[in-house]
Amino acid sequence: EAGVAQSPRYKIIEKRQSVAFWCNPISGHATLYWYQQILGQGPKLLIQFQNNGVVDDSQLPKDRFSAERLKGVDSTLKIQPAKLEDSAVYLCASSRGVEGTGELFFGEGSRLTVL
Amino acid sequence: AQSVTQLDSQVPVFEEAPVELRCNYSSSVSVYLFWYVQYPNQGLQLLLKYLSGSTLVESINGFEAEFNKSQTSFHLRKPSVHISDTAEYFCAVKRAGSARQLTFGSGTQLTVLP
Repeated sequence: EAGVAQSPRYKIIEKRQSVAFWCNPISGHATLYWYQQILGQGPKLLIQFQNNGVVDDSQLPKDRFSAERLKGVDSTLKIQPAKLEDSAVYLCASSRGVEGTGELFFGEGSRLTVL
Repeated sequence: AQSVTQLDSQVPVFEEAPVELRCNYSSSVSVYLFWYVQYPNQGLQLLLKYLSGSTLVESINGFEAEFNKSQTSFHLRKPSVHISDTAEYFCAVKRAGSARQLTFGSGTQLTVLP
């Protein structure tokens, strides 16, 4: 079974530029998550999708961050314009459903550096 | 809301020594508890979880954790560590029965020294 795929692995941009990250979850997983992991901190949930609907986006900075999962499969996270404090690893994860076990399957992450 | 505190950001230990990584949580409702591990240059993966039943849970590679409701703790232990256990370990909490997902602690970097 293929794992969660993310791209690009690394991205360096200047502040005020835009960037997009792509995620393809494990086949058949209905729930997809984007987490932000700043150096020295634990992952923080940005947005959670169930199929193509949003379950939780309470911690997504909506003035600059957006995410979509149009066909209920892969997803894109966009930042526009980027700030220095957006430097982090963006983790995508998926799970079979929202209930119960809490086992999330993570991708390797996309590391963003904002200069 | 739930929160997780990992008291130690870095834990160095010699090979074959025992180790304990501490995790305390805060919640006013029933929770599920998890330990995730992140090896260098890899994604996070589930190490073990407590949902209900026996308060002692074990992983396939010799780690164990005990849910202590009175102390609101879920410490991770291993009686004898290997070099290959070097990784970052994250404790996480989820409200039982909720659709909303995991809240992670800040992580503990375990470094096993030869």
